[in-house]
Amino acid sequence: GAVVSQHPSRVICKSGTSVKIECRSLDFQATTMFWYRQFPKQSLMLMATSNEGSKATYEQGVEKDKFLINHASLTLSTLTVTSAHPEDSSFYICSARGPGQPASNQPQHFGDGTRLSIL
Amino acid sequence: AQSVAQPEDQVNVAEGNPLTVKCTYSVSGNPYLFWYVQYPNRGLQFLLKYITGDNLVKGSYGFEAEFNKSQTSFHLKKPSALVSDSALYFCAVRDKKGSNYQLIWGAGTKLIIKP
Repeated sequence: GAVVSQHPSRVICKSGTSVKIECRSLDFQATTMFWYRQFPKQSLMLMATSNEGSKATYEQGVEKDKFLINHASLTLSTLTVTSAHPEDSSFYICSARGPGQPASNQPQHFGDGTRLSIL
Repeated sequence: AQSVAQPEDQVNVAEGNPLTVKCTYSVSGNPYLFWYVQYPNRGLQFLLKYITGDNLVKGSYGFEAEFNKSQTSFHLKKPSALVSDSALYFCAVRDKKGSNYQLIWGAGTKLIIKP
């Protein structure tokens, strides 16, 4: 149980285009989802916390207008990288807090990540 | 602020030997600690967590972790390593920011199991 699906797994596109990444909780409802960015050989950097039905909470230094997050349902959150540039190339990973109570004690379950390459 | 430290960038262990991946924490209040594993080009997989209760926590794939309050440590262990255990391991601690709970991550430790 607690499976998170992330799509696409890899994207290669030209500079200036926008890219949408989807994160779905397949067998549970996820009130809270998280979006991370991971640089090579580094730890995860939290970009934003996404709560269903409300605006995402962005971490300091993350541009809201650059990285648009939509969490419109309990099973889907999307990250759109707008007007992507080569410096946006990275590995993006989503996670969803698992079911159970209290919610704050539940582990996060991760998608398999999206490798974004901007040419 | 909550933090975790993984003092080793890389750990090398021979197959069949016991393994330990170290994690120390710094928190105000009671710690909520987690271990995750990441295989190449994949997301992270949850291994185990400590919230309260027994100091020895058992998790997936034969891993366990020992919570030590006096040493503020939460080391990951396995009695007999497998080559397939080779991966990147992350320790994390729960933190509260505003009304949200999030994880603060260690830098990761690369575990290499040699046949």
